Amino acid sequence: AQSVTQPDIHITVSEGASLELRCNYSYGATPYLFWYVQSPGQGLQLLLKYFSGDTLVQGIKGFEAEFKRSQSSFNLRKPSVHWSDAAEYFCAVGPRGGGGNKLTFGTGTQLKVEL
Amino acid sequence: EAGVTQSPTHLIKTRGQQATLRCSPISGHTSVYWYQQALGLGLQFLLWYDEGEERNRGNFPPRFSGRQFPNYSSELNVNALELEDSALYLCASRSTYYGYTFGSGTRLTVV
Repeated sequence: AQSVTQPDIHITVSEGASLELRCNYSYGATPYLFWYVQSPGQGLQLLLKYFSGDTLVQGIKGFEAEFKRSQSSFNLRKPSVHWSDAAEYFCAVGPRGGGGNKLTFGTGTQLKVEL
Repeated sequence: EAGVTQSPTHLIKTRGQQATLRCSPISGHTSVYWYQQALGLGLQFLLWYDEGEERNRGNFPPRFSGRQFPNYSSELNVNALELEDSALYLCASRSTYYGYTFGSGTRLTVV
């Protein structure tokens, strides 16, 4: 069965510092990969996705993620964090091909930004 | 284009009652997914509808049910509400290129 692991439940960084959020997945084949962000009481906003091609993908708000097949990882990075980035971040995997089956989410990483 | 819309934003029900939550996907999207986000339990897959049919359901009891209408909007019904059903319920629709787009959710509180 597919699973997603986000090993860091909470991360605190200073504003202006770099950020890396870890994500590892277990899946039968290379899945589609996503990062979402959720502000308190809100829905999920898509930051970026990986379907195929270049393994370094750029997203919104200055985020990027790198797919590493050998490590089954899809870590999210940002070179300089802003106070408005404080939120919860979810990594998710979904199936390739037709059928549009469900996304499987990690448990999330809560990001706190210190001013 | 309009995003995924969910209504109501908040819903307060008494234990034992029924709740109905609604979702309109992005225009042209035929698939609708429902997720439950309860405190401490993460995002749990509930149901997937496509072309009016239920295609998959998560590990939830039968009192969680729903349907998809001809215009692809969807309804989630929760019968015999229990306190632990209190959660944020998220709906998503899917496109081949953009992936899954989520609505802002319905906050269900069972008292």
